[in-house]
Amino acid sequence: DAKTTQPNSMESNEEEPVHLPCNHSTISGTDYIHWYRQLPSQGPEYVIHGLTSNVNNRMASLAIAEDRKSSTLILHRATLRDAAVYYCILNRNSNSGYALNFGKGTSLLVTP
Amino acid sequence: GAGVSQSPRYKVAKRGQDVALRCDPISGHVSLFWYQQALGQGPEFLTYFQNEAQLDKSGLPSDRFFAERPEGSVSTLKIQRTQQEDSAVYLCASSLVWSQPQHFGDGTRLSIL
Repeated sequence: DAKTTQPNSMESNEEEPVHLPCNHSTISGTDYIHWYRQLPSQGPEYVIHGLTSNVNNRMASLAIAEDRKSSTLILHRATLRDAAVYYCILNRNSNSGYALNFGKGTSLLVTP
Repeated sequence: GAGVSQSPRYKVAKRGQDVALRCDPISGHVSLFWYQQALGQGPEFLTYFQNEAQLDKSGLPSDRFFAERPEGSVSTLKIQRTQQEDSAVYLCASSLVWSQPQHFGDGTRLSIL
């Protein structure tokens, strides 16, 4: 399975943009890039996903490098509620479904 | 709206006891996943159902772990003869179909004494 590499932790000030990087140099052509986040004592929450083109939704933006070997999750204006562990995941596509391979993620600290 | 519901929220058991963890997925969701999350780690895949069929159980750590979804809705994860290394948060997720984003419950925190 293709692996992802993320920084262990990042820190941001409230109301500033946050750019969370992810490297995935062994990505295959059919792998989608997924981002989930996990707030303390809660289950993971879907954030966004993409294949080749940049994607935007109400929560965040996903910028994907042209060679697809890296991507960046962008939170346009961090709030205290965005403090969470962010996981960059390449889907493990098998004949039986999209099981997610989470890794350790990036712990985001947002300070007032 | 109703999300994925897991019960109990917390479970304490003595080593050697059997436990059963329940997952109520979002109504109509075909795909159901179980994950195990050790302290300080990301969730790890255990098993996957499509309706009532268990299509992938490659992540189950031993034959003491058993999962079922007999009517294609509620699922139960059973652990027999529990051991201390089974202590973890067990997460359930469902999705409308296998390629759609997964919706997670808040998990069952299992502690084995």
